Amino acid sequence: EAAVTQSPRSKVAVTGGKVTLSCHQTNNHDYMYWYRQDTGHGLRLIHYSYVADSTEKGDIPDGYKASRPSQENFSLILELASLSQTAVYFCASSPGTGGSYEQYFGPGTRLTVL
Amino acid sequence: GDSVTQTEGPVTLSEGTSLTVNCSYETKQYPTLFWYVQYPGEGPQLLFKVPKANEKGSNRGFEATYNKEATSFHLQKASVQESDSAVYYCALGIRSGGSNYKLTFGKGTLLTVTP
Repeated sequence: EAAVTQSPRSKVAVTGGKVTLSCHQTNNHDYMYWYRQDTGHGLRLIHYSYVADSTEKGDIPDGYKASRPSQENFSLILELASLSQTAVYFCASSPGTGGSYEQYFGPGTRLTVL
Repeated sequence: GDSVTQTEGPVTLSEGTSLTVNCSYETKQYPTLFWYVQYPGEGPQLLFKVPKANEKGSNRGFEATYNKEATSFHLQKASVQESDSAVYYCALGIRSGGSNYKLTFGKGTLLTVTP
């Protein structure tokens, strides 16, 4: 069954440490996205990609990097994790062709930075 | 820039009552409008989308009309059930600069339906 999976599902990190969140999709979609979800802010776009080996900045990219090594995989990297990056992170994929732009989300990763 | 404003929650309703979640948007482009629903512990999932102005979308008893003149896309349901308890997101889909396509989400509205 086509799906978006994320790993890990939950992580505790220390301030200043490096964190990598991974996303894998079997939808054969071109577009992939990373969002963070915070109470009171909804979903905010961090980075996205519409082709392998290329990424684009979203609305809140500061403090985050992204990597798209293949069509199926998209990672979010926090080089120096900070307390303010505690949040739930969602990955999504989208066909992006033929006018079909709806996004399909993974189950999320809960990140706690201490 | 593009923005979406929706009913601030939380909203608590009794089973069988009607629901309206207001959604207004701002953009200079021609968007597709979406409603997403998120159940506890899950990622958001598409409820329905409407790509054209003055058209209506619907799914699972929920519906919304894309009102271009009023820049609104209010979500309605005539009779809610306890299983409708979730967070509802209105979203604006804009294509810009060739391959760039993004959704801008509202802050979400938490709905709790009591038996």
